[in-house]
Amino acid sequence: EADIYQTPRYLVIGTGKKITLECSQTMGHDKMYWYQQDPGMELHLIHYSYGVNSTEKGDLSSESTVSRIRTEHFPLTLESARPSHTSQYLCASNLGLSDSPLHFGNGTRLTVT
Amino acid sequence: GDSVTQMEGPVTLSEEAFLTINCTYTATGYPSLFWYVQYPGEGLQLLLKATKADDKGSNKGFEATYRKETTSFHLEKGSVQVSDSAVYFCALSDQNTNAGKSTFGDGTTLTVKP
Repeated sequence: EADIYQTPRYLVIGTGKKITLECSQTMGHDKMYWYQQDPGMELHLIHYSYGVNSTEKGDLSSESTVSRIRTEHFPLTLESARPSHTSQYLCASNLGLSDSPLHFGNGTRLTVT
Repeated sequence: GDSVTQMEGPVTLSEEAFLTINCTYTATGYPSLFWYVQYPGEGLQLLLKATKADDKGSNKGFEATYRKETTSFHLEKGSVQVSDSAVYFCALSDQNTNAGKSTFGDGTTLTVKP
């Protein structure tokens, strides 16, 4: 049972459109993360946040942007979608301690045509 | 920097076979270690974890022991089922820097045939 919710689950959109992927969690976690997952299943951290008004870029450069105005909400935005953005996007959160496991949403599978 | 290396897949086993997925790590501090599982069409979920040397994590028949001397955290299960077919990720979280930020292995796809 997910305590972290991502919408939409699937999105097919044309090149040049602006999109926002939603992520919300009900656990009160301070730390939230966005991962991009390859077809080969590798995970790449693209953004993270340590709390409200805190956002950092991850290990993989991404043209997307994020915001953290409320603790429970961490949306990801692409201003102009391109076919190279086609991927699975996974949102996660945790307490931020070293022994805190990540809680993942079920992901958004984005296809840009 | 931190890194995780896990056994390349895919791995295909018959039902009731013994499973081992190797995982080794490099970290500057004293990391916590995790195994996550991803079923088709879903996000990752925690399978088990260990937070210090010689700890054994276990869940659903899976086990892994934190071996500091060999920097390893191999996943094992004595008798796999078809329902165990999934992608398995080894991960670490280092207490010294960016606590809570995890480093993942590349994932190992397991297929169990009846």
